[in-house]
Amino acid sequence: QKEVEQNSGPLSVPEGAIASLNCTYSDRGSQSFFWYRQYSGKSPELIMSIYSNGDKEDGRFTAQLNKASQYVSLLIRDSQPSDSATYHCAVTQSGAGSYQLTFGKGTKLSVIP
Amino acid sequence: NAGVMQNPRHLVRRRGQEARLRCSPMKGHSHVYWYRQLPEEGLKFMVYLQKENIIDESGMPKERFSAEFPKEGPSILRIQQVVRGDSAAYFCASSRGQSGNQPQHFGDGTRLSIL
Repeated sequence: QKEVEQNSGPLSVPEGAIASLNCTYSDRGSQSFFWYRQYSGKSPELIMSIYSNGDKEDGRFTAQLNKASQYVSLLIRDSQPSDSATYHCAVTQSGAGSYQLTFGKGTKLSVIP
Repeated sequence: NAGVMQNPRHLVRRRGQEARLRCSPMKGHSHVYWYRQLPEEGLKFMVYLQKENIIDESGMPKERFSAEFPKEGPSILRIQQVVRGDSAAYFCASSRGQSGNQPQHFGDGTRLSIL
């Protein structure tokens, strides 16, 4: 069973702090990694994608990937109350023909004003 | 709105009825995925389709569930003889191409409630 694990939280951080969200995956052949943000009652929104080891920055967001450790993280700098949401780590499985996403259960983030 | 369009947004059915959920992919996208989300849970893959083809249905329950993506019109997820356990949010996603590097973009989902 290929799995993606996240701490369910809730993770509470004060406004302006760095929020650190972590994710591990079991399929060593996984190739593509995504972070989706989901507000309550809304659809998942893609905020970051990363495909190779290292860091990828986009505004206040930084994704980090370490394939040797099977670990991917998302850092949110200068956290804002509007960042309060559930963040899902998603991974495409290895193998030909299908690029389904395997999701973690999500980490609920609360940014306290 | 050029995003993924799903309808209806909310659907209420009684046990034993049929539910039909529709999804139109983003313009220029020809790959459609269906996911199911139970309350406080992550999204679970159900089926992956291209026009007129089911590519991967490994996440679909063996009975009562079916999906199609005809040459013309939206993709349809059909649930026959619904039961209480089918209550969930059903999300459709689309991508441009057949590659793990092509991000999937999600619609607003259909919230299915079974009475």
